[in-house]
Amino acid sequence: SAVISQKPSRDICQRGTSLTIQCQVDSQVTMMFWYRQQPGQSLTLIATANQGSEATYESGFVIDKFPISRPNLTFSTLTVSNMSPEDSSIYLCSVASDNQPQHFGDGTRLSIL
Amino acid sequence: AQSVSQHNHHVILSEAASLELGCNYSYGGTVNLFWYVQYPGQHLQLLLKYFSGDPLVKGIKGFEAEFIKSKFSFNLRKPSVQWSDTAEYFCAVTSTGGSYIPTFGRGTSLIVHP
Repeated sequence: SAVISQKPSRDICQRGTSLTIQCQVDSQVTMMFWYRQQPGQSLTLIATANQGSEATYESGFVIDKFPISRPNLTFSTLTVSNMSPEDSSIYLCSVASDNQPQHFGDGTRLSIL
Repeated sequence: AQSVSQHNHHVILSEAASLELGCNYSYGGTVNLFWYVQYPGQHLQLLLKYFSGDPLVKGIKGFEAEFIKSKFSFNLRKPSVQWSDTAEYFCAVTSTGGSYIPTFGRGTSLIVHP
């Protein structure tokens, strides 16, 4: 299975700032996704990162708040913009190919003060 | 739209006890089913999956799950749990021939006392 490296693993940020999370995969994958996992809740899909085009966002998530890049088949970034305490969460990158199960990165634990 | 329901949000067991975590889904078509596990401080890992064939699926670490189509269920079982099974367990479903994007259940927190 693909090896996924996600950076940073954790961060503490000030309100109003932005943080970019990186996801690097050791092989080319068809699909890359970004999820949010808030305390005590399930995983919520933020968006599908599309290679070479704009990401596809789920209901409740917008590009201005969560800009995503995917310049190639092995790398993607998620930016959490203008952060507030409500954005404190774990952010997860996942990858999938050919209708196989998704594989997840270690996640980024983000706390906003 | 599909949905996944995990009835047990928190389960506490002693070592050697048997485990069964419930998972029900709602979707009218053919599905693929998954159980993921998240150990403390670690990333989500695939525990087992069902695509087709034998409805009794065996996964890693002695876990198994049974797909009962008539009940829309995919319950996870283990005959004898260990302290190291303490983790968060997530059930997920995708529709066959559809997107790769699974719908996740809320998760069940399992604590096993030594």
